[in-house]
Amino acid sequence: EPEVTQTPSHQVTQMGQEVILRCVPISNHLYFYWYRQILGQKVEFLVSFYNNEISEKSEIFDDQFSVERPDGSNFTLKIRSTKLEDSAMYFCATRWEGNQPQHFGDGTRLSIL
Amino acid sequence: RKEVEQDPGPFNVPEGATVAFNCTYSNSASQSFFWYRQDCRKEPKLLMSVYSSGNEDGRFTAQLNRASQYISLLIRDSKLSDSATYLCVWNSGNTPLVFGKGTRLSVIA
Repeated sequence: EPEVTQTPSHQVTQMGQEVILRCVPISNHLYFYWYRQILGQKVEFLVSFYNNEISEKSEIFDDQFSVERPDGSNFTLKIRSTKLEDSAMYFCATRWEGNQPQHFGDGTRLSIL
Repeated sequence: RKEVEQDPGPFNVPEGATVAFNCTYSNSASQSFFWYRQDCRKEPKLLMSVYSSGNEDGRFTAQLNRASQYISLLIRDSKLSDSATYLCVWNSGNTPLVFGKGTRLSVIA
C-alpha cells in the first residue's frame, strides 16, 4: 500500500535555528496538509496546500512558518526561527480528492533545545 | 468554534470484552466523520469512516446520529492489539480534519 513518507524521523535543533521538514506524498494525491501534536495534546491543523498554493492555515501558522513543493515531489514545512514551544510531532497528511480520507506520514519529532 | 468532545478514558478492559466510545461534535455543518487510531508516539491511522447508516468492519461498528451530533465506536471481542488511543475526527468537504483529544484504551490479558 502506498505510504506518505517523512524525513527526518527526529530533528534536534537549537532555538532560533531554521528547520525544514520533508514529506513525500502518495503519488496521485492532490491535497497536502501539515499537522502538529505537542506531547500529550491533540493533533492540531497547521496548513493545507492545493494546486501549488496554501488553501487554508490556522492561527498557529504564523510568519515563522512556510510551505512549498519545490520539485513537484517533496512537500516541505520550514520554520524560520524555532522556539521552544515548536517542539512537537509534525505530521504530513495527503489526500486524493473529494471526501477521500487523509493518510498520515509517520511524523517528524522536532525537539528544540 | 469547531470542537470534538470525547470520553476522556482511559478504558481498561479485559480481553474479549466489548467496549464503546462516544464522541460529540459542535458544528452542524460537519459532513465527514472518521475514527482514527493512534499508538503511542505514532501517526494517526484511519480505522474507519463513519456513515449515516452506520457501518461495520469486522469487530468494529461505527454509528452516526446527526440529530444529536453524536458518533460512537463499538469494539467487540477486544484484543490486546486494540490497545491504543482512538481519535474522533470530522471535517467538511476540503476543510482540515478536526481532532478530538482521544480516548485511551488498554486491553488487559
